Amino acid sequence: SAVISQKPSRDICQRGTSLTIQCQVDSQVTMMFWYRQQPGQSLTLIATANQGSEATYESGFVIDKFPISRPNLTFSTLTVSNMSPEDSSIYLCSVLAGAYTGELFFGEGSRLTVL
Amino acid sequence: GENVEQHPSTLSVQEGDSAVIKCTYSDSASNYFPWYKQELGKRPQLIIDIRSNVGEKKDQRIAVTLNKTAKHFSLHITETQPEDSAVYFCAASFTGGGNKLTFGTGTQLKVEL
Repeated sequence: SAVISQKPSRDICQRGTSLTIQCQVDSQVTMMFWYRQQPGQSLTLIATANQGSEATYESGFVIDKFPISRPNLTFSTLTVSNMSPEDSSIYLCSVLAGAYTGELFFGEGSRLTVL
Repeated sequence: GENVEQHPSTLSVQEGDSAVIKCTYSDSASNYFPWYKQELGKRPQLIIDIRSNVGEKKDQRIAVTLNKTAKHFSLHITETQPEDSAVYFCAASFTGGGNKLTFGTGTQLKVEL
């Protein structure tokens, strides 16, 4: 199983600012997925990050709001830009357990509170 | 895209009883159906999964059934224990098409003593 480290684990942010979340995996992975979990809600896929190409965003999410970097096969960042209280959520990085398994491993998540 | 519905949203059972959570999916191409358990403040963790070529899978007190024709799958937990209390999410994906997991809305299971 992959070990996924996310930073920060939690933060309190001011409206209008931006925050970058880091995700580090202990092995090389082709795809990394960023999910959002709003308070008491389910997990919603924000985007898929592939190394060497632009991230693929899901409906309702745009690059200007959630820019993603994927500089190598073990690391990715998600930035939440120009934050508002509606962005208060847990943001989770995840990777596939194997190329064809479908199983996702999740990081511990980054809990953001926007005031 | 895929849409996954999950019922019930909350479930309360007595310790030792069984719990059943049901999900339906919309995309007939989906072929992978995992169940995740999320304890308060923790990450979601896989507890069992099933693929479209299998109708049922069991792991100790946990079982999952899949009806491809009706596009629904269920999680069964027998002999429930207090440590089973958590939020359970079903999900679906097509492993040949980007592996994007679509999650259900979650079920808060409470096992009472």
